Amino acid sequence: GAGVSQSPRYKVAKRGQDVALRCDPISGHVSLFWYQQALGQGPEFLTYFQNEAQLDKSGLPSDRFFAERPEGSVSTLKIQRTQQEDSAVYLCASSPSPGQSGNTIYFGEGSWLTVV
Amino acid sequence: GNSVTQMEGPVTLSEEAFLTINCTYTATGYPSLFWYVQYPGEGLQLLLKATKADDKGSNKGFEATYRKETTSFHLEKGSVQVSDSAVYFCALTRSSGGYNKLIFGAGTRLAVHP
Repeated sequence: GAGVSQSPRYKVAKRGQDVALRCDPISGHVSLFWYQQALGQGPEFLTYFQNEAQLDKSGLPSDRFFAERPEGSVSTLKIQRTQQEDSAVYLCASSPSPGQSGNTIYFGEGSWLTVV
Repeated sequence: GNSVTQMEGPVTLSEEAFLTINCTYTATGYPSLFWYVQYPGEGLQLLLKATKADDKGSNKGFEATYRKETTSFHLEKGSVQVSDSAVYFCALTRSSGGYNKLIFGAGTRLAVHP
């Protein structure tokens, strides 16, 4: 597709349930980011992939959060044993190349997770 | 560390009013600066950017100038429309470790009334 695609758009999970969120970046984009956006806040960085390599996972809030991008295209963010504080919008973003700070980073519409 | 501070909202204006949303940043080196917009129910969209000091980014009547001396990147528009109602995020990136990472402010909600 033309843009970054995320699924599901909306997910309601019971506390303790595992969830998986999918991201299809723009074709050919080397860089892929995951962000977490709590209600009324700005997006917070979670993790970064360059092709299939996860180069930065400094923003993952706990070991219940895991991300992968095994073939350097589609990525999955997995949250195990969800807690209420995990309720947020999870944004995926991609960029054509990693090196230039002025490169535009393109965002998907987000996956809205509500943990009840 | 790197951070972005922007004015708290909501900002409420009448149509055709002048808009300013303040943004200041803290960063080592020379970041690139961005404004993203989030319309209701939609994802983040790049509005404009500037990659070096004194650059002016502009798009859809919005503009912002990269001021290194005041570490600011204030967003302005001369005449707002109802359709500009959205949340606006100021952000910066720096290349570090061979890649760039966006750091966002908390966002400013703009509501424009007819």
